[in-house]
Amino acid sequence: NAGVMQNPRHLVRRRGQEARLRCSPMKGHSHVYWYRQLPEEGLKFMVYLQKENIIDESGMPKERFSAEFPKEGPSILRIQQVVRGDSAAYFCASSPPGGRAKNIQYFGAGTRLSVL
Amino acid sequence: DAKTTQPTSMDCAEGRAANLPCNHSTISGNEYVYWYRQIHSQGPQYIIHGLKNNETNEMASLIITEDRKSSTLILPHATLRDTAVYYCIVRVPTGAQKLVFGQGTRLTINP
Repeated sequence: NAGVMQNPRHLVRRRGQEARLRCSPMKGHSHVYWYRQLPEEGLKFMVYLQKENIIDESGMPKERFSAEFPKEGPSILRIQQVVRGDSAAYFCASSPPGGRAKNIQYFGAGTRLSVL
Repeated sequence: DAKTTQPTSMDCAEGRAANLPCNHSTISGNEYVYWYRQIHSQGPQYIIHGLKNNETNEMASLIITEDRKSSTLILPHATLRDTAVYYCIVRVPTGAQKLVFGQGTRLTINP
């Protein structure tokens, strides 16, 4: 029973390039969340998605950041024209659609983005 | 979600019980207490949650006071691998919602 899978684990980009972070939720989970952890800071919520829908994007920066969770395939967090301040660990979490366990989010190992 | 207050850091000897407190004096009747931890550079890990009754699982025990204004996470026999930042989060469990992480408690287990 595989957990939440994120790839790549490490991503290096130069300023101005695009970064694509992928997240495959646990089997049977239809809710996906993205969080960001800047160096020496706490975890901050970015966006919550269900299949083909963005439910809450209150934590997403207004520009350059987007997220999707298509009907088929992983969730993607996309950062366009990256800047050094985007360097951080990005964590994905998933939760199941119903029952008491829906309240628990399970996290992946994260993608560490470094912008040169 | 109610605000939580945790000590910034704690130390515990290996093999002893680690007791991590959390204050949540503004908790409302339908809010649960959740505990997560983050071992260095890893993704957060769910530990336990509860409403008002004490809870125990294979990882830890959760003791919630009768007035629900505070709780304690207990790691009964701490090991070096329990060194991590521990987060106490209060939230309503209905629907799938974001987790709001505070600063947590940095627990260091000493040999």
